[in-house]
Amino acid sequence: DQQVKQNSPSLSVQEGRISILNCDYTNSMFDYFLWYKKYPAEGPTFLISISSIKDKNEDGRFTVFLNKSAKHLSLHIVPSQPGDSAVYFCAASALRSNSGYALNFGKGTSLLVTP
Amino acid sequence: DGGITQSPKYLFRKEGQNVTLSCEQNLNHDAMYWYRQDPGQGLRLIYYSQIVNDFQKGDIAEGYSVSREKKESFPLTVTSAQKNPTAFYLCASKGRSPLHFGNGTRLTVT
Repeated sequence: DQQVKQNSPSLSVQEGRISILNCDYTNSMFDYFLWYKKYPAEGPTFLISISSIKDKNEDGRFTVFLNKSAKHLSLHIVPSQPGDSAVYFCAASALRSNSGYALNFGKGTSLLVTP
Repeated sequence: DGGITQSPKYLFRKEGQNVTLSCEQNLNHDAMYWYRQDPGQGLRLIYYSQIVNDFQKGDIAEGYSVSREKKESFPLTVTSAQKNPTAFYLCASKGRSPLHFGNGTRLTVT
């Protein structure tokens, strides 16, 4: 039962434009959300996170927006660069639960930024 | 230079054999995790350990076993009972910061 869903398997964006990656979740206990970036044959690397007490978190070119009522979050990359081409995973956890901070991951969105 | 080391990067085994994947961290993290990634799939949690000598099953623990005898080490054994063992296996650890991943081991069972 997929509790974190990324419904777009792939996205292609021109360099310099905005990339918007979307993520939906079903578990209302989730209160901490993260985005990871992954290159082939490597482990995911942490990109940005947001707590459920906020609706926006910004770090340089990356901004994550959280809409709790819609159980939806999105990652905005502005401006997109060719080096941003990778698979992006949305992840969520319920910090108050006894799950050892284990993350639930979506299936990922493959972003291609073209010159 | 702190991090997580998973070895080997590629592993090949015959069907019916148990195989153990290594995961070592020098980040002094208490919690460690094993995830599996299949093509077109997200990362699925196999086992996790919050402290030495303790571990819990994740979402897909059947056919796997782990041990946590040392803080630095969290080996994963893929047993012959695992029906579809061929996958990319990722180990992670956590301290105060978000989960930090190793570079994975690709296991192929034929």
